[in-house]
Amino acid sequence: DAGVIQSPRHEVTEMGQEVTLRCKPISGHNSLFWYRQTMMRGLELLIYFNNNVPIDDSGMPEDRFSAKMPNASFSTLKIQPSEPRDSAVYFCASRHRAPGQPQHFGDGTRLSIL
Amino acid sequence: DQQVKQNSPSLSVQEGRISILNCDYTNSMFDYFLWYKKYPAEGPTFLISISSIKDKNEDGRFTVFLNKSAKHLSLHIVPSQPGDSAVYFCAASPEGGNEKLTFGTGTRLTIIP
Repeated sequence: DAGVIQSPRHEVTEMGQEVTLRCKPISGHNSLFWYRQTMMRGLELLIYFNNNVPIDDSGMPEDRFSAKMPNASFSTLKIQPSEPRDSAVYFCASRHRAPGQPQHFGDGTRLSIL
Repeated sequence: DQQVKQNSPSLSVQEGRISILNCDYTNSMFDYFLWYKKYPAEGPTFLISISSIKDKNEDGRFTVFLNKSAKHLSLHIVPSQPGDSAVYFCAASPEGGNEKLTFGTGTRLTIIP
């Protein structure tokens, strides 16, 4: 079974540039989550969607961050403009909303902003 | 304000012995708890979960215990194997729906052959 697929796996870009991270959830899953992992704050939830609709974006750090889910098989997390403090590993996860079903994580995108 | 705490950053255990990883939480609204395992350069992988209506859940070599009055949970791995060497994260959800997860900072477990 294909898991959650994230691209790119690594991204290095200069401060001020736009960054777009991509995620393809597991087929049939109807919830999608974006997380960020840093040394200082650990793994924290940024935003999540149910049936392609954003439910809670209280974890999004600033207006420079935005996320979309145009269909059930694709989501993007965009940072514009990017700053060095955005450097982190960004994970996408998906789950089926049946009771007890866990979140399944992708392997992450390591983002470095110079 | 860290609502889920894993106070041991690292733990070393000999192969074949029991590994015990601990997690404390402060938010009384949490009612569903999970453990994830993470290898380097990979995403977290779900291990085991427990609802607040239970105090124990077992799956093969992995058992999770929940003490609601102490706001404490633990993961027992027995017997420990070299492949268990990884970072283990405790997570909690307030909704029972396994959606808005709050993660601990992780414990790096090393199994010594």
